[in-house]
Amino acid sequence: RKEVEQDPGPFNVPEGATVAFNCTYSNSASQSFFWYRQDCRKEPKLLMSVYSSGNEDGRFTAQLNRASQYISLLIRDSKLSDSATYLCVVNNAKAAGNKLTFGGGTRVLVKP
Amino acid sequence: DAGVIQSPRHEVTEMGQEVTLRCKPISGHDYLFWYRQTMMRGLELLIYFNNNVPIDDSGMPEDRFSAKMPNASFSTLKIQPSEPRDSAVYFCASSPGQYRNEQFFGPGTRLTVL
Repeated sequence: RKEVEQDPGPFNVPEGATVAFNCTYSNSASQSFFWYRQDCRKEPKLLMSVYSSGNEDGRFTAQLNRASQYISLLIRDSKLSDSATYLCVVNNAKAAGNKLTFGGGTRVLVKP
Repeated sequence: DAGVIQSPRHEVTEMGQEVTLRCKPISGHDYLFWYRQTMMRGLELLIYFNNNVPIDDSGMPEDRFSAKMPNASFSTLKIQPSEPRDSAVYFCASSPGQYRNEQFFGPGTRLTVL
């Protein structure tokens, strides 16, 4: 089983709609969770951290479910510019230091 | 503030040649990471450093790959000799440490080995 698993998509989303997707992680000792965004032929960029209580950043909402070991990302009022691959990232609790494990990404395509 | 800087941005070379990729992390960050990304394998961690010391190089594919960090503001990833299967985008990332483990990526080096 992969440490971090994501549905690769693509999720085809009409502009203005809401889209949500999850990722699951295998290590129950993981403490830090992030969503990164990667545009085509660009580097991954930090979108938001994910906190235990859930958190929002504008149109983006992240949730953490420790019991079921998954995190989610919800995008409201989707914009064309939201088209990207979203990477679920979890700290590797077994490793020393700041090692993170990246999921394979969920591709989102927002269409007019 | 300057982000992570990588050079060159693109490199095309022939099989058997030596390739050196360079990275300047964000000032004050304690951790530096080298990743490789391909369509087939996704993002793979090759090696990472803490305070210039290599911590985990288990992701380095083979002896043809080596990485150094001679000081806090510079790191290199060297491939010698290069092979076509090394073609990928190589990212460098840095992380603050001190209980903050989010990573910030450079723009990457797109390597093509012919």
